[in-house]
Amino acid sequence: GAVVSQHPSWVICKSGTSVKIECRSLDFQATTMFWYRQFPKQSLMLMATSNEGSKATYEQGVEKDKFLINHASLTLSTLTVTSAHPEDSSFYICSARDVARYSNQPQHFGDGTRLSIL
Amino acid sequence: AQKITQTQPGMFVQEKEAVTLDCTYDTSDPSYGLFWYKQPSSGEMIFLIYQGSYDQQNATEGRYSLNFQKARKSANLVISASQLGDSAMYFCAMREDSGGYQKVTFGTGTKLQVIP
Repeated sequence: GAVVSQHPSWVICKSGTSVKIECRSLDFQATTMFWYRQFPKQSLMLMATSNEGSKATYEQGVEKDKFLINHASLTLSTLTVTSAHPEDSSFYICSARDVARYSNQPQHFGDGTRLSIL
Repeated sequence: AQKITQTQPGMFVQEKEAVTLDCTYDTSDPSYGLFWYKQPSSGEMIFLIYQGSYDQQNATEGRYSLNFQKARKSANLVISASQLGDSAMYFCAMREDSGGYQKVTFGTGTKLQVIP
């Protein structure tokens, strides 16, 4: 079945560092991917919708310059947390749906990235 | 207004018993899909079951069934014969199909603990 791969799974870095997270659809094309953020014991909050070949659509309250999204191909979207600070520490998870298949196909999720900023 | 509401922050169930996790939703879109995902402590999101707004029958997948009551806008998840491995967070989610990108909105989740 469809699989979404997310890398890295865990990042620990110093404050001020920029961190790039990759999300790949392995056996299907995803014109749209979604980036979520999850704080401990909370739900997934949609940050932005990543669109292949065009600008991402950000949810209200999400800083575009802070969370840079690039969706350069039909199988890869990247999220870059620029100049990360401790408050950016969170679990980031991407998802995509194989739109070529039936509408009842769920969004497939990557395994997530745990980001810890020291 | 919340699009997806899960009113049970936590639930306990005895092993081998059935449990129902509640979910209500709010949408004016005539075409939508409802999902349940399981998230164990390791963090990955595991798809469990799907119900389309036009589906006439309740969805079932193995031990999982979805009690879809469209007029009440509820989509409760029933897990039969609970197992210890069912202990996890469970999220109800909705995809509204009329929007351009069909983004999915999640509820706040229910933490299920299965007791031996």
